[in-house]
Amino acid sequence: AQTVTQSQPEMSVQEAETVTLSCTYDTSENNYYLFWYKQPPSRQMILVIRQEAYKQQNATENRFSVNFQKAAKSFSLKISDSQLGDTAMYFCAFMKRTGANSKLTFGKGITLSVRP
Amino acid sequence: NAGVTQTPKFQVLKTGQSMTLQCAQDMNHEYMSWYRQDPGMGLRLIHYSVGAGITDQGEVPNGYNVSRSTTEDFPLRLLSAAPSQTSVYFCASSYAGGGSYNEQFFGPGTRLTVL
Repeated sequence: AQTVTQSQPEMSVQEAETVTLSCTYDTSENNYYLFWYKQPPSRQMILVIRQEAYKQQNATENRFSVNFQKAAKSFSLKISDSQLGDTAMYFCAFMKRTGANSKLTFGKGITLSVRP
Repeated sequence: NAGVTQTPKFQVLKTGQSMTLQCAQDMNHEYMSWYRQDPGMGLRLIHYSVGAGITDQGEVPNGYNVSRSTTEDFPLRLLSAAPSQTSVYFCASSYAGGGSYNEQFFGPGTRLTVL
């Protein structure tokens, strides 16, 4: 079974600054995906970024980038130029790459507040 | 294209009552699943289905039943609600392709309170 750990329950950052959210995971799988999801107060789950474990290059989506350390089983999210709209709960998640199903294993989440 | 829809958005039940949370998708996705979200617990998988007529248990299946008679619908049934089932429930769907990435699409959630 896989586990995903987000040890920081809350973080705060000043608008326009950079913040890094941490995530570690444990798995015996070699082929998998890692995700960061954003959940704003509207409750909608929004996919922020995806990383394939077989790719060494870290994924980037505009202001969002990850630091994927496969050997250390670490997957952190960096948000650059933080904006007020980034205020949300963020979940790290894991999915096996093999098989017909798409089960996601989530971490407990971290609440990010962006201060004006 | 409505995506994944869930009804109702909010529901209050008394202990022992039964109800069905509805989930529908119009993307012809084979895979559908139910998660519950509790404070400090993240999202946990309740049940999932890889196609019509096929369902399986997730991490926290006790107290919930599912069936999948059509590709579009995947209802979640609470036969006898308990206060421990107070939670926010999310339905999600995706294509089911072996070994390839299929983005999961989430519904807007149902907030359920059991008194």
